[in-house]
Amino acid sequence: SQQGEEDPQALSIQEGENATMNCSYKTSINNLQWYRQNSGRGLVHLILIRSNEREKHSGRLRVTLDTSKKSSSLLITASRAADTASYFCATDEWDGQNFVFGPGTRLSVLP
Amino acid sequence: NAGVTQTPKFQVLKTGQSMTLQCAQDMNHEYMSWYRQDPGMGLRLIHYSVGAGITDQGEVPNGYNVSRSTTEDFPLRLLSAAPSQTSVYFCASSPPGTDYSGANVLTFGAGSRLTVL
Repeated sequence: SQQGEEDPQALSIQEGENATMNCSYKTSINNLQWYRQNSGRGLVHLILIRSNEREKHSGRLRVTLDTSKKSSSLLITASRAADTASYFCATDEWDGQNFVFGPGTRLSVLP
Repeated sequence: NAGVTQTPKFQVLKTGQSMTLQCAQDMNHEYMSWYRQDPGMGLRLIHYSVGAGITDQGEVPNGYNVSRSTTEDFPLRLLSAAPSQTSVYFCASSPPGTDYSGANVLTFGAGSRLTVL
């Protein structure tokens, strides 16, 4: 399989806390994306980081990329119950055009 | 609303039956793709298309067929359904070069849940 891996598989936190999830991949990439999937719904794009970038912010989201370790992290600050979802990283490592998705991290934010 | 529309949302088939999952987008996206999502496996690419008349295989193409006669539509055909094809199927589309790096940011449909008995 070409898939990367997210870590942890599941994460449960209290509202207001920060949530960090990690993604590892296997070969070189041009960019890495993070997507969110609410239960029973399609995936929604959150943020994209290019291979020459180390950190990117979007609202309460912070993404880092370490190409030497082939890993990325997604930080959600001041989490809300509405952040409860599965989060997936996707890389273009397979053929530079299509995206490979990891198995995802299930985040539960408890009120 | 503009977006990616998948039909049907749910389908139950018997082994050996054939069917077509429909996908349509009204955003004039050139790139379209089909993924299947299985528990603990993430999404795996089945087939994709970079424009009308052009299709190619993804990671798990066996047992599936696609065509792209128009920019808007990208149907996925199951030729002879097997229990191993029980899954949730997602169609996704993207314009080329969504940002200046040329990266494709995908817009997903809501999914089609298929059960093969």
